[in-house]
Amino acid sequence: GEDVEQSLFLSVREGDSSVINCTYTDSSSTYLYWYKQEPGAGLQLLTYIFSNMDMKQDQRLTVLLNKKDKHLSLRIADTQTGDSAIYFCAEPPGLDTGRRALTFGSGTRLQVQP
Amino acid sequence: DAGITQSPRHKVTETGTPVTLRCHQTENHRYMYWYRQDPGHGLRLIHYSYGVKDTDKGEVSDGYSVSRSKTEDFLLTLESATSSQTSVYFCAISESGNTEAFFGQGTRLTVV
Repeated sequence: GEDVEQSLFLSVREGDSSVINCTYTDSSSTYLYWYKQEPGAGLQLLTYIFSNMDMKQDQRLTVLLNKKDKHLSLRIADTQTGDSAIYFCAEPPGLDTGRRALTFGSGTRLQVQP
Repeated sequence: DAGITQSPRHKVTETGTPVTLRCHQTENHRYMYWYRQDPGHGLRLIHYSYGVKDTDKGEVSDGYSVSRSKTEDFLLTLESATSSQTSVYFCAISESGNTEAFFGQGTRLTVV
């Protein structure tokens, strides 16, 4: 079956922008989510975007959605060392799948260099 | 943080022994999930529950069973632990099956 895909690793310098990309599978998804996992911790919901939006901005975070290409991105402006973490995108189950759980990408490890 | 507690937080067990992990929630959410997290695989769904005594399999359910006798508790059992079940296990809860999920802090299980 199709998977939610992310690149595994991204390294940036402190103060630069980070862009984390995700390709999802179901064009009927209503919401798409970004989660952040810090070392030794569980996943925390970072932000989300509704499918009728192209962009959502929340302080240093910008989420872009391209429904045609099923592409989601998370931009972090002025990246700080505290942003070092694993970032997961997630999509809800499709209407015809019978599944009742979010599907997560493999996660992108963001490393911020001082 | 959502009211989700996993126990134990760490466990080392021997191959062939049974192990039970517990997830307790105080949010009264209908859905509860067990995921495992392994390097290179992200999060994979083991089992989930959509109500008391209502459970279903996820993508990696072999070797695991679950039970939900109360809304607030969801148990994951490894009947006979194997080294391939060494992993970090996360419990999650959700109000419905297609909305955001909230995660516990995880249980690190090592099978030796």
